[in-house]
Amino acid sequence: KAGVTQTPRYLIKTRGQQVTLSCSPISGHRSVSWYQQTPGQGLQFLFEYFSETQRNKGNFPGRFSGRQFSNSRSEMNVSTLELGDSALYLCASSLESSYNEQFFGPGTRLTVL
Amino acid sequence: AQSVTQPDIHITVSEGASLELRCNYSYGATPYLFWYVQSPGQGLQLLLKYFSGDTLVQGIKGFEAEFKRSQSSFNLRKPSVHWSDAAEYFCAVEGGGGADGLTFGKGTHLIIQP
Repeated sequence: KAGVTQTPRYLIKTRGQQVTLSCSPISGHRSVSWYQQTPGQGLQFLFEYFSETQRNKGNFPGRFSGRQFSNSRSEMNVSTLELGDSALYLCASSLESSYNEQFFGPGTRLTVL
Repeated sequence: AQSVTQPDIHITVSEGASLELRCNYSYGATPYLFWYVQSPGQGLQLLLKYFSGDTLVQGIKGFEAEFKRSQSSFNLRKPSVHWSDAAEYFCAVEGGGGADGLTFGKGTHLIIQP
């Protein structure tokens, strides 16, 4: 069974640009969550999608958004990038909710210059 | 709001020695508790989880954790560490209803001495 895949693995952008990250969950998993990992703040929950609907949202500005498609694949978008958005963005999938075991992808390393 | 504290930023142990990583949580009711491990350049892998029932839970790779409600703790243990256990370890809590996703501690970096 293939694991969670995230594309791209590495990304370099400049301030003010926008970026879209992609996550393909494990087959059969309907819940996809996104996390931001930085050395200063650690791992922080961004949002969770289930059946194409955002079910939960963390404490991040509106520049961070996401969506989920009918095949459970998810994308997250960050607009008007800031230097502080440089981070490892992790996607996790689970069967129904984050109560179930979450399987994490390898992450996308975003660098904002 | 729920929170997780991992008091030790770094821990160094000798190969073959026992290990205990500390985790304290703050939450009003019984939370769902998790331990994850992250190797360099990798995503997170679930080691074990506690939802209810027996307070001593067994996980993968020989790890176990004990939930102590009176101390609001969920410490991770391993009787004998291997060099391959060197990694970053994260304790996490989910407070119910999935309203906040997983709340992670800041992590403990485990170094294994030969």
